[in-house]
Amino acid sequence: GAVVSQHPSRVICKSGTSVKIECRSLDFQATTMFWYRQFPKQSLMLMATSNEGSKATYEQGVEKDKFLINHASLTLSTLTVTSAHPEDSSFYICSALGGPNNQPQHFGDGTRLSIL
Amino acid sequence: DAKTTQPTSMDCAEGRAANLPCNHSTISGNEYVYWYRQIHSQGPQYIIHGLKNNETNEMASLIITEDRKSSTLILPHATLRDTAVYYCIVRVAYGNKLVFGAGTILRVKS
Repeated sequence: GAVVSQHPSRVICKSGTSVKIECRSLDFQATTMFWYRQFPKQSLMLMATSNEGSKATYEQGVEKDKFLINHASLTLSTLTVTSAHPEDSSFYICSALGGPNNQPQHFGDGTRLSIL
Repeated sequence: DAKTTQPTSMDCAEGRAANLPCNHSTISGNEYVYWYRQIHSQGPQYIIHGLKNNETNEMASLIITEDRKSSTLILPHATLRDTAVYYCIVRVAYGNKLVFGAGTILRVKS
């Protein structure tokens, strides 16, 4: 089945650091990737939609200058949390969409980000 | 995309069938019903999806009512590893984002 790989799985860093998270589709070409954030005991919240070769579309309330998204190829999208602060600590999850119409999205295993 | 309503939590005995309901009374004719589950500290896992016919795969069965206003996900023989949050999501086929609600916490007990 379709596999989405997310790296790193866990990051712990100091406040003010920028952190890059990678999302790769391993066995299919993903024209669209999605980035979600999940706080403890809450559901997933969509942050942005990333289309290959074009600018990402951000959901309302998500700062595009804070969360930089790059989707430079059909198998890779990156999310960079710039100048991260403790309130950015969360579980970040990507998903990828590709293949024939009506195929489901497949998700990575998430990145646990902890800002000290 | 149409909104869905699911019970907050359910318990199921190991080995028994788990039946998870979902209401989607405002679903449109071109919207599919998708089911995902999330085991603690992992990304969501795709289970099954359907439009109007009942569907079955190696993981589960999806029963959609004739008026399409509700559906039921069936795990035929639940195991402890099926303990997870189950999300029922309605969206237009292909390309549209998935909007997650609160889901149903399924606890499978021995």
